[in-house]
Amino acid sequence: KQEVTQIPAALSVPEGENLVLNCSFTDSAIYNLQWFRQDPGKGLTSLLLIQSSQREQTSGRLNASLDKSSGRSTLYIAASQPGDSATYLCAVKTGANNLFFGTGTRLTVIP
Amino acid sequence: DVKVTQSSRYLVKRTGEKVFLECVQDMDHENMFWYRQDPGLGLRLIYFSYDVKMKEKGDIPEGYSVSREKKERFSLILESASTNQTSMYLCASSLALSSGNTIYFGEGSWLTVV
Repeated sequence: KQEVTQIPAALSVPEGENLVLNCSFTDSAIYNLQWFRQDPGKGLTSLLLIQSSQREQTSGRLNASLDKSSGRSTLYIAASQPGDSATYLCAVKTGANNLFFGTGTRLTVIP
Repeated sequence: DVKVTQSSRYLVKRTGEKVFLECVQDMDHENMFWYRQDPGLGLRLIYFSYDVKMKEKGDIPEGYSVSREKKERFSLILESASTNQTSMYLCASSLALSSGNTIYFGEGSWLTVV
């Protein structure tokens, strides 16, 4: 069964710093990988989706990369802002009609 | 914009009560999902539905059932609520996931069973 791991569980950085969040998965036979943002007490919002044939996707200050062979993805956030504070989750899509989620990294950007 | 609406944001129910959580989506998506989210365990799939009246068990279906009588509405039912079902419940919808379509989540329903 697919297992998705996100380390660290929590991260604090000063405003303006560039940062990288990590996601690893055990089964490289994936259709795609998504990164989500979750604010406290709220649902998830999709940030980026990378198809299995792609290496990276960019949206504004966010860049997500995918290395299927090593079972890793990173989410790069440039010039972090306090408004980026949230929990970031990654999820992989495998054969079944389901997504497997990591437990997330809680990011705090300190003004 | 896609909207997934969970009608109840916060509920407190007693052990043994029957609980209904309702979810409605407005984008004609064929797939709908119910997840629960617990600290340290992440999101776990309870049930999903790929069409009206169709349903499939997810990873943790025990103690739950679902109903999808109309395409836009997917209900989660706790037949006899127990304290270990205290959790955040998230509904989601999507077009076919294998085609690279993203999944859209509702705001979540916080259920406390006392």
